[in-house]
Amino acid sequence: AQSVTQPDIHITVSEGASLELRCNYPYGATPYLFWYVQSPGQGLQLLLKYFSGDTLVQGIKGFEAEFKRSQSSFNLRKPSVHWSDAAEYFCAVGAGGGADGLTFGKGTHLIIQP
Amino acid sequence: DSGVTQTPKHLITATGQRVTLRCSPRSGDLSVYWYQQSLDQGLQFLIQYYNGEERAKGNILERFSAQQFPDLHSELNLSSLELGDSALYFCASSGLGVYTDTQYFGPGTRLTVL
Repeated sequence: AQSVTQPDIHITVSEGASLELRCNYPYGATPYLFWYVQSPGQGLQLLLKYFSGDTLVQGIKGFEAEFKRSQSSFNLRKPSVHWSDAAEYFCAVGAGGGADGLTFGKGTHLIIQP
Repeated sequence: DSGVTQTPKHLITATGQRVTLRCSPRSGDLSVYWYQQSLDQGLQFLIQYYNGEERAKGNILERFSAQQFPDLHSELNLSSLELGDSALYFCASSGLGVYTDTQYFGPGTRLTVL
């Protein structure tokens, strides 16, 4: 069974600082990778996805992520965070093939300091 | 707004009872997925339907069942409810179904079992 690791349960950054959220997946073949964000009391919003091709993917709200096969990582980055970025961030992986429930990491809670 | 709708938003019930959660996918999407989000287990995939047929099963209990109707809406039935079933239940939908595609999540139904 696949599993997704988000090593950081909480991360605190200052507004305007850069951000990197880590995600690792132990999967041999190239998986289908996603980052979702969940604001308090809200559903999950897709930030970006990687299926194939360019390993640096751009998403919404100024986020980007880089797929690194050698490190089995798909880290999420943002050059300058805003207070509105405070939320829970989930990395997810899909196996592909159409029977494709996503496997989610435990999430990283992002706190923005003024 | 993802285009996926879920009703009801909140549901409070007692142990031993049965409830039905409803999901309407985005227009044109053939696949529907159900997920459970709890503090203990995080976000877990329960089950997937594609065009009315069950496609994949995740960690779904035998007390839980789902179906997808000809108009593509889906229902998740939870019976013999236990305190531990209290969670946020999400529905997601995707378009192609045959190949891995992006899943768009609804706002969720918060179930409280007393």
